[in-house]
Amino acid sequence: QQQVKQSPQSLIVQKGGISIINCAYENTAFDYFPWYQQFPGKGPALLIAIRPDVSEKKEGRFTISFNKSAKQFSLHIMDSQPGDSATYFCAASLADSSYKLIFGSGTRLLVRP
Amino acid sequence: ETGVTQTPRHLVMGMTNKKSLKCEQHLGHNAMYWYKQSAKKPLELMFVYNFKEQTENNSVPSRFSPECPNSSHLFLHLHTLQPEDSALYLCASSRGTGGTNEKLFFGSGTQLSVL
Repeated sequence: QQQVKQSPQSLIVQKGGISIINCAYENTAFDYFPWYQQFPGKGPALLIAIRPDVSEKKEGRFTISFNKSAKQFSLHIMDSQPGDSATYFCAASLADSSYKLIFGSGTRLLVRP
Repeated sequence: ETGVTQTPRHLVMGMTNKKSLKCEQHLGHNAMYWYKQSAKKPLELMFVYNFKEQTENNSVPSRFSPECPNSSHLFLHLHTLQPEDSALYLCASSRGTGGTNEKLFFGSGTQLSVL
């Protein structure tokens, strides 16, 4: 019940295309859903996050879509660029312990020029 | 740079060796973390320290021994490791552990190989 399932494991997109990464969770008590981006040789860095009181959050080319009833959330990268090539991790945490993130297994994104 | 520095970047050790990983944060944060990152697996939280006190130990084997002398420094002492302990060890920090939407700042990690 504490797992966060992420798919796909890897993704190849052409430059300018839309990248979509999906995550699903079981614990309805989760109420903080961040996405982290990790470049090779670097640690993960917070990209964008959402709380379940909204269905969508957009920051530049990055959008989180949240479906509370389906217990799913996804990351959309519009106009994908080669510089977006990285590994993306979704995560979830409980209200009273937002520091204690449960991470998905990661999606390796490659954006071809 | 994230403000979290880890050394060494790479470490190769035998199963009978003793080594230590070091983490330093320059962000004025009060909480520090050790995570283990293995290929194709979720990041695993190992230890949490808040104001130098250990608040979480996620059933980590005793061959991993953390130390937090102050809020800016965190160590992970390693001894008699197994080959399956080979992984990327990430240090992170945050303002604390009591707020909502805590943002973690990660270091670049130490890539550990146990032979």
